[in-house]
Amino acid sequence: NAGVIQTPRHKVTGKGQEATLWCEPISGHSAVFWYRQTIVQGLEFLTYFRNQAPIDDSGMPKERFSAQMPNQSHSTLKIQSTQPQDSAVYLCASSARDWGGGEQYFGPGTRLTVL
Amino acid sequence: GDSVTQTEGQVALSEEDFLTIHCNYSASGYPTLFWYVQYPGEGPQLLFRASRDKEKGSSRGFEATYDKGTTSFHLRKASVQESDSAVYYCALSEYNAGAKLTFGGGTRLTVRP
Repeated sequence: NAGVIQTPRHKVTGKGQEATLWCEPISGHSAVFWYRQTIVQGLEFLTYFRNQAPIDDSGMPKERFSAQMPNQSHSTLKIQSTQPQDSAVYLCASSARDWGGGEQYFGPGTRLTVL
Repeated sequence: GDSVTQTEGQVALSEEDFLTIHCNYSASGYPTLFWYVQYPGEGPQLLFRASRDKEKGSSRGFEATYDKGTTSFHLRKASVQESDSAVYYCALSEYNAGAKLTFGGGTRLTVRP
């Protein structure tokens, strides 16, 4: 079990460029989550998928951010026209339980720096 | 909406000291409560969880008891070690609000040898 895999570990973009972050959940897990971690805001929920279907995107900024899960083995978080305030560590997690109360297994995160 | 409050932002202790990190929550339903620990360069990892009033969760010498009356889930350890230095997060999830975790602000624990 390799755990949740996130690539790249670090990404630097210029203001206005696009960033795509990848997540490979633990095999067999039905739920995939994205969180953002900053010093100021802490750990914030962005969005989650259950069996590849988007269930809750209440934490996603309405503009420029989108997430997809085209198959059970990976999910992507895309940020268009990146801004300095998007700089953060983006964490992906997966869970075998797709309802409240289940343990979520986190990847190491992708540190995004927008210059 | 749901929220989690951790009183201590930073805690500095010496080895063998007693640790308490306070966690209080606000939720509309009956949440499951968690303690996660995060080491540098890694994602948070579960310490333990509790789902019912008066249930005690424990792992690696850490423990916390779900108290619905005071809406609290305080983390305690009788004797900390240098290797316990990390950031600790209290979190909750509610069945009727989906599976997402709502985290507290985190507490950075530093243990001096």
